[in-house]
Amino acid sequence: AQRVTQPEKLLSVFKGAPVELKCNYSYSGSPELFWYVQYSRQRLQLLLRHISRESIKGFTADLNKGETSFHLKKPFAQEEDSAMYYCALSGGNFGNEKLTFGTGTRLTIIP
Amino acid sequence: GAGVSQSPSNKVTEKGKDVELRCDPISGHTALYWYRQSLGQGLEFLIYFQGNSAPDKSGLPSDRFSAERTGGSVSTLTIQRTQQEDSAVYLCASSPGLIAAEQFFGPGTRLTVL
Repeated sequence: AQRVTQPEKLLSVFKGAPVELKCNYSYSGSPELFWYVQYSRQRLQLLLRHISRESIKGFTADLNKGETSFHLKKPFAQEEDSAMYYCALSGGNFGNEKLTFGTGTRLTIIP
Repeated sequence: GAGVSQSPSNKVTEKGKDVELRCDPISGHTALYWYRQSLGQGLEFLIYFQGNSAPDKSGLPSDRFSAERTGGSVSTLTIQRTQQEDSAVYLCASSPGLIAAEQFFGPGTRLTVL
């Protein structure tokens, strides 16, 4: 069975401070990992995925297969980063990329 | 172009009534997913379509739930004999159906069962 764990429901960080949102996963094969974000009154949208190895809005995430983690990091938080963040996993099986989501972390940036 | 759209945006119904929720995916997207977002359960997968076929219905919580997709486009999620525990936001997403492809989400339908 596949599972995604986000241990922090709420996280508050001062503007300019570093941010780390934790994500651990359980999956027997080689998963694809994603971070999705939902800003206030907006729809859920992709932030980044590990396969792209990209940095979006200053956020990065490194897949650590040994620790089965995919933590999201940003060196300097900005007020517009306040949102709900979901870590998600898909099985990487072509033809069915259904996502298993973590329970989410609500990030609040304190001005 | 237009993103994924869902209708209605809000639906209030009485326990025991049937409801239909509609999803219009992005044109050309072969894969379509339904998820449910509720306070107690977070975001959970319901059903996946590839074209008009549903090879994965494993997330449907009971036989009161069904879905179909026609013309490789519009999808309808039907909940029969609604119960209070069905109250949630129902999200639809579509994607090109490639490995690790981004899923584009609709705004959701908020269902409230009284």
